[in-house]
Order: sequence, then C-alpha cells, then structure tokens
Amino acid sequence: DVKVTQSSRYLVKRTGEKVFLECVQDMDHENMFWYRQDPGLGLRLIYFSYDVKMKEKGDIPEGYSVSREKKERFSLILESASTNQTSMYLCASNTPGRYYGYTFGSGTRLTVV
Amino acid sequence: QKEVEQNSGPLSVPEGAIASLNCTYSDRVSQSFFWYRQYSGKSPELIMSIYSNGDKEDGRFTAQLNKASQYVSLLIRDSQPSDSATYLCAVNTGNQFYFGTGTSLTVIP
Repeated sequence: DVKVTQSSRYLVKRTGEKVFLECVQDMDHENMFWYRQDPGLGLRLIYFSYDVKMKEKGDIPEGYSVSREKKERFSLILESASTNQTSMYLCASNTPGRYYGYTFGSGTRLTVV
Repeated sequence: QKEVEQNSGPLSVPEGAIASLNCTYSDRVSQSFFWYRQYSGKSPELIMSIYSNGDKEDGRFTAQLNKASQYVSLLIRDSQPSDSATYLCAVNTGNQFYFGTGTSLTVIP
C-alpha cells in the first residue's frame, strides 16, 4: 500500500525550540507539499517542492523552512517555535500534472507551549 | 474571491437519505477536481476525482461536474453515520492545487 509517512502523530514543544517535522513517501512522487490546517481557515500551503533540492514558498512561509535532500523525504523546520504555530501539519505528495490528486500523510498535531 | 468555495455547513441528513455537497471554483482553466473526506482529527482521504463534464459514480458516491457553470458536487446515496465527516473540494489547474475550506456533514441515525 502506497504511503506518505509523517514521523510523529503528536508533538509538544516549548516556545523557542527548533522543531523538525519529517515526511517520507514511497510512491516516487516528484511533488511534495507542507500544509497547516486550522479550524475555520482550511488548508494553508507553507512550502512545496517539485524536485530534489528545490523549494518554493507557499502562502504562509514565515517562520518555517524546508529541506529536500532526497526525492522521498521532505522536512519542515520551525526555526524558533511560537505558540501561533500550534496546528495540525499535513504533508502531501503527488505526480506532476493536471490529473493527479494529493496523497496526504496522517498529520502531525503540534502543540507549542 | 476565493479560488474554491464550499458551504461550511454543518449539513445534517437522516440515515438513508441523499447528502448533496456543493463546490464552486473561479479559475476557468481548472483541469481536474477532487473530493476528499476528512474525519475529525485525521488527514484528508481522496474519495473521488472527476475530469470531464457529467457524472461519475463510484459505489454510493457520485461526483458531478459542470465546467460552464464552474460547479462540482458530490452526492452520497444511502447516507450512513460513518459518512459523518468534513468533505473538502479540491481543484487542480495544472499549475496550482486549491482546496475549499470544507463542508461538515452529519448523518443522523
């Protein structure tokens, strides 16, 4: 069964900590994405990548960075966690092109205290 | 104007009824359309995709697309309590992927 795997289901971090969220997909997808999802705001795109070592800012990149050293792995980094980054973080991947939907990981519920 | 708009609901239907979920989009070059189901606390799961005008059926689910009206809908026949979830509409323009904010559906036993 094809999968997008996020390393942690629940995470609690302190304000100011550097936080790493890992995402691995086994579908050989070129495209990978990081979203956060908050009640009433829907899915908001943080960063995306169309290729290894390539990254593009999404709609809300401030306070985040990403790394894609290998095709299957896309990491989201919170440089200095803040309480307003408490959220559900979702990784997704897909094949390029107009006919392909996303496959989502199981999500990471991050709480910053 | 948002790229993809959905009524947030909540939409409540009795068990066995037809649930109708609607979505409009603004980009006329949109190519493909998707419906995701998201249970509370879980991640979105793809349940339907549609690319051409008309209806596409898969079990109890039917997706309907009208590109001229920029409208896509999802019908759930014989609704079950297990269908209670938030349903996200998504549009792929080929360059960008846009999500609606979702419609919350509750199926009442």
